[in-house]
Amino acid sequence: QVQLVESGGGVVQPGRSLRLSCAASGFTFFSYGLHWVRQAPGKGLEWVAVISYDETNKYYADSVMGRFTISRDTSKNTLFLQMNSLRAEDTAVYYCAKDSMAGPNPRGAVDYWGQGTLVTVSS
Amino acid sequence: EIVMTQSPATLSVSPGGRATLSCRASQSVSSDLAWYQQKPGQAPRLLIYGASTRATGIPARFSGSGSGTEFTLTISSLQSEDFAVYYCQQYNKWPPITFGQGTRLEIK
Repeated sequence: QVQLVESGGGVVQPGRSLRLSCAASGFTFFSYGLHWVRQAPGKGLEWVAVISYDETNKYYADSVMGRFTISRDTSKNTLFLQMNSLRAEDTAVYYCAKDSMAGPNPRGAVDYWGQGTLVTVSS
Repeated sequence: EIVMTQSPATLSVSPGGRATLSCRASQSVSSDLAWYQQKPGQAPRLLIYGASTRATGIPARFSGSGSGTEFTLTISSLQSEDFAVYYCQQYNKWPPITFGQGTRLEIK
């Protein structure tokens, strides 16, 4: 079965960096686009970024553009999110999620989610 | 950016009853609309995609309808495990992919 396991969250000071990882299994990793979606405490879902199956296309929310970088390592079936210049408003649970459609262009609908990793930005 | 608006914010329904949740898009998203369920402390779960297609393993009491800008998620014969927060999401024009603010379905 599909499994997505995030790691790397924690408490970090404003302005510092953090790298999240998501280990994937149970599906053909190199065939699907992957997303990061976050949820601030007590709030709704906010899409953060997506990467296509071959890394040629990457898209970001305006709120993280220029600060966050999404990448993937097909040899390790792992998705990453490098977060720089963190702000208090980046505090959230970060979910790794699999796009529902295989192929070069992610559909945008997500069919599997990890359990999330909590990032807290605080001094 | 397409803004998704869900109503009501909170819906109270008795077990065994029927719940109707609404989602409106600020511009047409065709049928590129998904619904997710989220229980406290859990990740979201895909219920519906393509506005009306149930995801794998989703019971038939969940149904979606609509196209363009107006969408509905209907849950018939509510079970105790159905009380949760529900989000709609458009994936027609992106980035960004956008979610509604959620509807909390609570026990009456």
